[in-house]
Amino acid sequence: DGGITQSPKYLFRKEGQNVTLSCEQNLNHDAMYWYRQDPGQGLRLIYYSQIVNDFQKGDIAEGYSVSREKKESFPLTVTSAQKNPTAFYLCASSTRTGGSYTEAFFGQGTRLTVV
Amino acid sequence: KQEVTQIPAALSVPEGENLVLNCSFTDSAIYNLQWFRQDPGKGLTSLLLIQSSQREQTSGRLNASLDKSSGRSTLYIAASQPGDSATYLCAVAPKTSGSRLTFGEGTQLTVNP
Repeated sequence: DGGITQSPKYLFRKEGQNVTLSCEQNLNHDAMYWYRQDPGQGLRLIYYSQIVNDFQKGDIAEGYSVSREKKESFPLTVTSAQKNPTAFYLCASSTRTGGSYTEAFFGQGTRLTVV
Repeated sequence: KQEVTQIPAALSVPEGENLVLNCSFTDSAIYNLQWFRQDPGKGLTSLLLIQSSQREQTSGRLNASLDKSSGRSTLYIAASQPGDSATYLCAVAPKTSGSRLTFGEGTQLTVNP
């Protein structure tokens, strides 16, 4: 079954702690993305990667870090510098096709709560 | 900077009605436009993708149109059912931003039995 797997589904973070959210895809997609969703707001892009060993900041990258060592994996670390990390985090992937891009596929999300 | 707006923010209809959800975007230079469905607490499910060279796409009871010149897309849902209740999100892939998507805030649809 092809798709995107995010884990864990729920995550609790204590003040001052770094936590890492996992995202794995077996769609053979080149590009992967991390979005943040807050209640009543649209999705905002945190980081994205269009190729292995390369990634770019999105609109709200402060307090987050990523790595892309393998095509299949794009983990997101929420650092202690992120002051308001409680949110729903979504990972997605897509790939280039001809002169455009394929549809983006999303994982089921990780809900992060600060305790 | 590309902006995406969805109207209405919420919609409640009786079962069986045909309905239209609207999406507008400010920059017509896009690779594609995609409609998603999101159930509470879940990820996004892709419904339809319209490439910039296309005018519409259909899947079952869903039909999405794209008018790049006016910066508009509509999602038409025929014979709505309670199971269609969800939030519907529209997203565009601007040519100035590569593959990254810009999302609207969504339309929350409730279909009443």
